[in-house]
Amino acid sequence: QLVVTQSPSASASLGASVKLTCTLTSGHSTYAIAWHQQQPEKGPRYLMKVYSDGRHTKGDGIPDRFSGSSSGAERYLTISTLQSEDEADYYCQTWGTGIEVVFGGGTKLTVL
Amino acid sequence: QVQLRESGPGLVKPSETLSLTCTVSDGSISSYYWSWIRQPPGKGLEWIGYISDSGSTNSNPSLKSRVTISVDTSKNQFSLRLTSVTAADTAVYYCARGLYGDKTYWGQGTLVTVSS
Repeated sequence: QLVVTQSPSASASLGASVKLTCTLTSGHSTYAIAWHQQQPEKGPRYLMKVYSDGRHTKGDGIPDRFSGSSSGAERYLTISTLQSEDEADYYCQTWGTGIEVVFGGGTKLTVL
Repeated sequence: QVQLRESGPGLVKPSETLSLTCTVSDGSISSYYWSWIRQPPGKGLEWIGYISDSGSTNSNPSLKSRVTISVDTSKNQFSLRLTSVTAADTAVYYCARGLYGDKTYWGQGTLVTVSS
């Protein structure tokens, strides 16, 4: 069964960098994923797609501070030079061969 | 840039049918995959289902028996019907284009409360 797993929470200081992790179930380590950001009281916003080879393609207007990478079954979202508006929930999402969509439980990022 | 907007009743009675419509701003309704997603208060995102550019549909196994997704290309709209609702169906409902590897565009969401 296709599942993506995220840590429930993360924190980092203003101006620092943070790396969020999304882990695919074994047997699905070649799957691409997408990252979505949800700021408080707002709808989700597409950030990027991250491929198994580490490439990423970003959505419209996403700052250069946001980048993606991969290692094995893990997909990462790195945010550098953290700003207060980066405090949000971050969701990892993928899709199966039956075109079912799977979301991770989300990581709540706190900017200290 | 495409924009999506959900519309429909904000309050539905238990056991009745929830009906929502998503209006797409450009003419791309005949292309792409179109999805519904929901988010219960304080919880994460849950995929409900999709309709494809060819009209095929698929939905979350946990909701499949209650979900119908359809499209009206003449109005640039697609719709969700969820039958026999309970309080557990109270959520913000989002429509989206994408979620399958291409850029995803989200609607702003609409809150539906199930209550008598």
